[in-house]
Amino acid sequence: GQQVMQIPQYQHVQEGEDFTTYCNSSTTLSNIQWYKQRPGGHPVFLIQLVKSGEVKKQKRLTFQFGEAKKNSSLHITATQTTDVGTYFCAGPVDSNYQLIWGAGTKLIIKP
Amino acid sequence: DVKVTQSSRYLVKRTGEKVFLECVQDMDHENMFWYRQDPGLGLRLIYFSYDVKMKEKGDIPEGYSVSREKKERFSLILESASTNQTSMYLCASSPSGWQPQHFGDGTRLSIL
Repeated sequence: GQQVMQIPQYQHVQEGEDFTTYCNSSTTLSNIQWYKQRPGGHPVFLIQLVKSGEVKKQKRLTFQFGEAKKNSSLHITATQTTDVGTYFCAGPVDSNYQLIWGAGTKLIIKP
Repeated sequence: DVKVTQSSRYLVKRTGEKVFLECVQDMDHENMFWYRQDPGLGLRLIYFSYDVKMKEKGDIPEGYSVSREKKERFSLILESASTNQTSMYLCASSPSGWQPQHFGDGTRLSIL
């Protein structure tokens, strides 16, 4: 069946270092969505990418959608403590209105 | 701003009880979803609904049922609660199609 793989599961960084999480889909996606879940919170929508090769930026966050629309990445430059949380990617299932979710990447800032 | 409200933040129930989790959204969204979230397993879809009285099974529907009698309300029912249903339950809604989902704060359910 359709799958979205997300790596890594965890990433430990020093504050100020960069962070990247990657998503790979088993099928071509019409769009991909990114969400952030703070510790103790609920997922919050960040952005949606639709076009092949699309790159979008939100301050220190850069989102990319691959040319084949099967992979995506989120890169955070110079992480801050406010970036801590779990980042999820999600893509639509072909046959209905649900999303298929990556397992998430947890960003941990080393003390 | 979209508001998705889940009836309880924390809930403790006993094995065998029938448990109702309620979710209400205030933005006239077509789609509503119930997920459970467990450490290391991400978000798993239990059921979703794309219209009143319509429901579709997600990835893990066993032991659960849902009800959507009104557009704004989507209820998750644990027919006979078991300890393996102890989890965080998240409700979400979206306008239509594959538009982004808006989540409630979640209900942390413990089955003893």
